[in-house]
Amino acid sequence: DGGITQSPKYLFRKEGQNVTLSCEQNLNHDAMYWYRQDPGQGLRLIYYSQIVNDFQKGDIAEGYSVSREKKESFPLTVTSAQKNPTAFYLCASLGQAQGEKLLFGSGTQLSVL
Amino acid sequence: QQQVKQSPQSLIVQKGGISIINCAYENTAFDYFPWYQQFPGKGPALLIAIRPDVSEKKEGRFTISFNKSAKQFSLHIMDSQPGDSATYFCAASDEGGSGSRLTFGEGTQLTVNP
Repeated sequence: DGGITQSPKYLFRKEGQNVTLSCEQNLNHDAMYWYRQDPGQGLRLIYYSQIVNDFQKGDIAEGYSVSREKKESFPLTVTSAQKNPTAFYLCASLGQAQGEKLLFGSGTQLSVL
Repeated sequence: QQQVKQSPQSLIVQKGGISIINCAYENTAFDYFPWYQQFPGKGPALLIAIRPDVSEKKEGRFTISFNKSAKQFSLHIMDSQPGDSATYFCAASDEGGSGSRLTFGEGTQLTVNP
């Protein structure tokens, strides 16, 4: 079955540590996105990529980094510069065909130890 | 900054009742307005969407009403069921209706009591 796989489901970060969240899709979608979700708030865009080897900052990119070396993979690194990393992180992808809709993965809950 | 304002923050409805969630936007360039449903610990799933060339769209028990002049749109859930209990997000985008750069509302936590 085609879909978006995020791993791990839960992740804990120690002070000063960088952690990487995985996002893989087998939908052959060109565009991929990372959103952050905090309780009582909507989803906020961190980074997005519309093609391999290219990506753009979203609204809250500070303290995060991404790479897009393969079409199916878009990992997100939460760096030590992100002082408030505790949140639910959602990856999404979108195909180029007419009528394609944004599809989300099941998310990764990141907490600080 | 582009914004989408959503209300109420939480909503409690009895089984069989009508749930109504409202959203207002500022950017008149927005041309695609989806609603997403999210269950705890899961990613949001597209529920229904509308474009500004129509004033209403219905899919089963879910209806979007759209008022272009007021820059408002709303989700109506008819005959609400306990299984509808979830968080609902409205969103909007201005990139040709592809939904590629969505701006989300703050979310509404709906509880449907049996």
